[in-house]
Amino acid sequence: GQQVMQIPQYQHVQEGEDFTTYCNSSTTLSNIQWYKQRPGGHPVFLIQLVKSGEVKKQKRLTFQFGEAKKNSSLHITATQTTDVGTYFCAGGGTYKYIFGTGTRLKVLA
Amino acid sequence: DAGVIQSPRHEVTEMGQEVTLRCKPISGHNSLFWYRQTMMRGLELLIYFNNNVPIDDSGMPEDRFSAKMPNASFSTLKIQPSEPRDSAVYFCASTLMVRATTGELFFGEGSRLTVL
Repeated sequence: GQQVMQIPQYQHVQEGEDFTTYCNSSTTLSNIQWYKQRPGGHPVFLIQLVKSGEVKKQKRLTFQFGEAKKNSSLHITATQTTDVGTYFCAGGGTYKYIFGTGTRLKVLA
Repeated sequence: DAGVIQSPRHEVTEMGQEVTLRCKPISGHNSLFWYRQTMMRGLELLIYFNNNVPIDDSGMPEDRFSAKMPNASFSTLKIQPSEPRDSAVYFCASTLMVRATTGELFFGEGSRLTVL
């Protein structure tokens, strides 16, 4: 079945450093979504990418969808302590999304 | 809007007992998903419904698990009998699906299940 892997599994950064997480699917995706889950919380939607090669920005966050629509990345510039949490990609197909394994980010003040 | 509402928030039960988790999706959403989250397996899709009809239950671990959606505003996930390995956080999510394409998923706060 479809698998969606993310690397790294964990990342510790100093506040102010940049952070990137990568998402890879075993199959071509129709679209991809990104979610953030704070410790003890529930996943919250960040963004959806649909087009091949698409790049979207939200303040310090930059999202990319690969040309082959099988991979994606999330880059955070100058991390802040509020960025702490687990970031998930979710690969979209017909009717459903398969979540990636997640990257847990810790930001050290 | 109250968002997706799940109950109970926490459940502690003994092995062999029946567990029922409940979910009220956002009004107007036509698709509902049940996910299970554990440290070892991450977020697993158990089952999803479209217009109250189960579309894919291939993620349901075994016959001990069952899910229903009797109407557009209510769904249940039942485990009978429960086992310690069922301990996890169970999330319900809903969305408006248009032409088989899923939009933003809205998650409930989850039901944390502990089976002793």
